Amino acid sequence: AQTVTQSQPEMSVQEAETVTLSCTYDTSESNYYLFWYKQPPSRQMILVIRQEAYKQQNATENRFSVNFQKAAKSFSLKISDSQLGDTAMYFCALTLLFGNEKLTFGTGTRLTIIP
Amino acid sequence: DVKVTQSSRYLVKRTGEKVFLECVQDMDHENMFWYRQDPGLGLRLIYFSYDVKMKEKGDIPEGYSVSREKKERFSLILESASTNQTSMYLCASSAYRDRGTTSTDTQYFGPGTRLTVL
Repeated sequence: AQTVTQSQPEMSVQEAETVTLSCTYDTSESNYYLFWYKQPPSRQMILVIRQEAYKQQNATENRFSVNFQKAAKSFSLKISDSQLGDTAMYFCALTLLFGNEKLTFGTGTRLTIIP
Repeated sequence: DVKVTQSSRYLVKRTGEKVFLECVQDMDHENMFWYRQDPGLGLRLIYFSYDVKMKEKGDIPEGYSVSREKKERFSLILESASTNQTSMYLCASSAYRDRGTTSTDTQYFGPGTRLTVL
């Protein structure tokens, strides 16, 4: 079975600063996808960024980037130039490439951007 | 844009009532999922379905059942609601992995239903 751990229940950062959210996971498989999802206070969960485990290059989406360390089973999310709209719950998730298409989620990190 | 809708944003029910939560997606997705979200526990999978009339138990199926009679609709049923089922319920959908699109395995979520059982 897969597990995803987010060890930071809450974080806060000043607007325009950079913040990194941590995520570690455990799986015996070598082929999988990793995701960061964002859930703003309005509750609609949306995808922030995804990473295929077979790709060594870290994924980036505008101000969002990941640091994927496969050997360490670590998948952190970096938010640059943070904005008030980044205030949300952030969930890390994993799915196996060869298996049913379920996601295993971490417990989430509540991020607050301070004006 | 993918759109996943849920029948209610807020719902209040009594213990012992039968509760139906409805989810509809408009992207012709094969996979649909029901999660419950509780503080400190993240999202936990209740049931998922990979085709019409097909279902598979997730991590916490006890006390729940599901129905998928049409591809676009996935219902979660609480046969006899209990107070420990008070939670936020999220529905999601995704395309079959075999489609091989760049959005494969990305799940699209509905706005959630906050259910309170008194």
